[in-house]
Amino acid sequence: DGGITQSPKYLFRKEGQNVTLSCEQNLNHDAMYWYRQDPGQGLRLIYYSQIVNDFQKGDIAEGYSVSREKKESFPLTVTSAQKNPTAFYLCASSPDGQYRYTFGSGTRLTVV
Amino acid sequence: QKEVEQNSGPLSVPEGAIASLNCTYSDRGSQSFFWYRQYSGKSPELIMFIYSNGDKEDGRFTAQLNKASQYVSLLIRDSQPSDSATYLCAFILTGGGNKLTFGTGTQLKVEL
Repeated sequence: DGGITQSPKYLFRKEGQNVTLSCEQNLNHDAMYWYRQDPGQGLRLIYYSQIVNDFQKGDIAEGYSVSREKKESFPLTVTSAQKNPTAFYLCASSPDGQYRYTFGSGTRLTVV
Repeated sequence: QKEVEQNSGPLSVPEGAIASLNCTYSDRGSQSFFWYRQYSGKSPELIMFIYSNGDKEDGRFTAQLNKASQYVSLLIRDSQPSDSATYLCAFILTGGGNKLTFGTGTQLKVEL
């Protein structure tokens, strides 16, 4: 079955540590997105990519980095520069020119 | 002014009643509107989308769009306990490409 897979489901990060969240899709979608969700704040866009080897900053890109070396994969790195990384991270994908997102199951990141 | 406003709730309705969820937006150029349902700890799932003024029905769900007044609504008829979730409205900002902007969500509780 086609879908979008995020891993790990839970991730714990120590202060000053970089961590990478995985997002893989087999839907042949061109566009991929990373959102962050905090309680009571809805989803906020971190980064998005519409084609391989190209990506753009969203509304809250500071302290995050991404790569898009393959169509199927869009990993997100949470760097030590992100001062408040504890949140629920959601990856999504959509076909080119369409707005119907498919979401992954999310990664819950906690700073310890 | 926020780009999108949703009452965070919780909105409590008895089982079998109609639940009415509302969302207002500030960008007059927005064309595409979406309603996502999110159960606690899970990722959002698309339940309705609407592009034109008026009503769009799908089973127990009806989306209503009024571009002149800049609001979009979701009606859930014959509400069931399984409808208890957070409902997020989302839309495409003018010039926003494929990026969805989400509201903060309204928590719905359907009581027995």
